[in-house]
Amino acid sequence: GAGVSQTPSNKVTEKGKYVELRCDPISGHTALYWYRQSLGQGPEFLIYFQGTGAADDSGLPNDRFFAVRPEGSVSTLKIQRTERGDSAVYLCASSLFPLAGTNTGELFFGEGSRLTVL
Amino acid sequence: AQTVTQSQPEMSVQEAETVTLSCTYDTSENNYYLFWYKQPPSRQMILVIRQEAYKQQNATENRFSVNFQKAAKSFSLKISDSQLGDTAMYFCAFPLLGSNYQLIWGAGTKLIIKP
Repeated sequence: GAGVSQTPSNKVTEKGKYVELRCDPISGHTALYWYRQSLGQGPEFLIYFQGTGAADDSGLPNDRFFAVRPEGSVSTLKIQRTERGDSAVYLCASSLFPLAGTNTGELFFGEGSRLTVL
Repeated sequence: AQTVTQSQPEMSVQEAETVTLSCTYDTSENNYYLFWYKQPPSRQMILVIRQEAYKQQNATENRFSVNFQKAAKSFSLKISDSQLGDTAMYFCAFPLLGSNYQLIWGAGTKLIIKP
């Protein structure tokens, strides 16, 4: 597609359930990023992929969070045993190269997935 | 620790007026980039403008310009001739020390342009 696509746009789930959030980056972008944005705050880094591998997952809050990118394109963020504190907007971004992404600011974001845990 | 501070939680101006959003930061890096992103109600972050710290000239993109004061670690965004479509959250960001992929973000300023 022309831009970064994220699905679902909104997800409401119950505490303890498992959720998956999907990100389809811009075609050809090797770098992919997940950020979490809580209400009234700026984005918080979760994980960065270069190709298929997670180059840095230091931002994942705990082992309930996991992300994959098996073919170097689409990525899925997986959250097990959801908690109310997981409620946030999960933003995905992609860039052609990591150096180009951060050093020149050319991160392309999706519209995010809003997760609400009841 | 690296920090980004946006001291104005919310600002409101009339259409066509000029508005300045402030951002201060702290880093021990000498060469880095600074960014302003816009987040409209659609939630999609859009790059507004970026500044290279080693350049003395302030960046300009049409109605958007920055006032970069490296010594003071200040990076404000000026929007001239504001338009209704400028209504959004605005975030200041810069790279984590030593990282070429992770950004540190401010808490944002909600900008409302009134007709």
